[in-house]
Amino acid sequence: ETGVTQTPRHLVMGMTNKKSLKCEQHLGHNAMYWYKQSAKKPLELMFVYNFKEQTENNSVPSRFSPECPNSSHLFLHLHTLQPEDSALYLCASSQGEGSGGEQFFGPGTRLTVL
Amino acid sequence: AQSVSQHNHHVILSEAASLELGCNYSYGGTVNLFWYVQYPGQHLQLLLKYFSGDPLVKGIKGFEAEFIKSKFSFNLRKPSVQWSDTAEYFCAALTGNQFYFGTGTSLTVIP
Repeated sequence: ETGVTQTPRHLVMGMTNKKSLKCEQHLGHNAMYWYKQSAKKPLELMFVYNFKEQTENNSVPSRFSPECPNSSHLFLHLHTLQPEDSALYLCASSQGEGSGGEQFFGPGTRLTVL
Repeated sequence: AQSVSQHNHHVILSEAASLELGCNYSYGGTVNLFWYVQYPGQHLQLLLKYFSGDPLVKGIKGFEAEFIKSKFSFNLRKPSVQWSDTAEYFCAALTGNQFYFGTGTSLTVIP
């Protein structure tokens, strides 16, 4: 248990569906991250929030929409996804962006887009 | 752009064999280095990290890594692997504000 939880753990959705992934951290951290993990590829950083402010958006398509209502919660809203978006989506947190510290990861949500 | 390279994509070892997984990074400035492990069905967790000081870093479960600045390398080692070490291993570099991860090395240990 790392103190970072993600729900749901598995999600199957059609291309026209709207769904949301949820991440919660219980570590008192100030930075939260969304990563995409695909087979045979490096982890792809999608979004970074530092003190609830989005600081990074690595050219992610607009069908992915993040939301960070407070330092403990992070959402990823999904809309009209494509089959190539199927992957493991990981949430992570750290003390603060630029603090030099390690990131703590959640278990991930395994997303399948049909 | 910065990058992290892991040369071994899939390693198969017998129990008690020695392990060395390669990791190279491309950034020339100050860098913090990490090795993460992902056991089957589990989340990524930190094995060890290097920020400064002694370039030989010891982590959990008998793992260690050596930072060689001249080679831009941070190889992971374990003198004697166990079946329970079967997992995916990721090297990562933190430069400035951004983490860069390698593609991962899948380790299978045969009993």
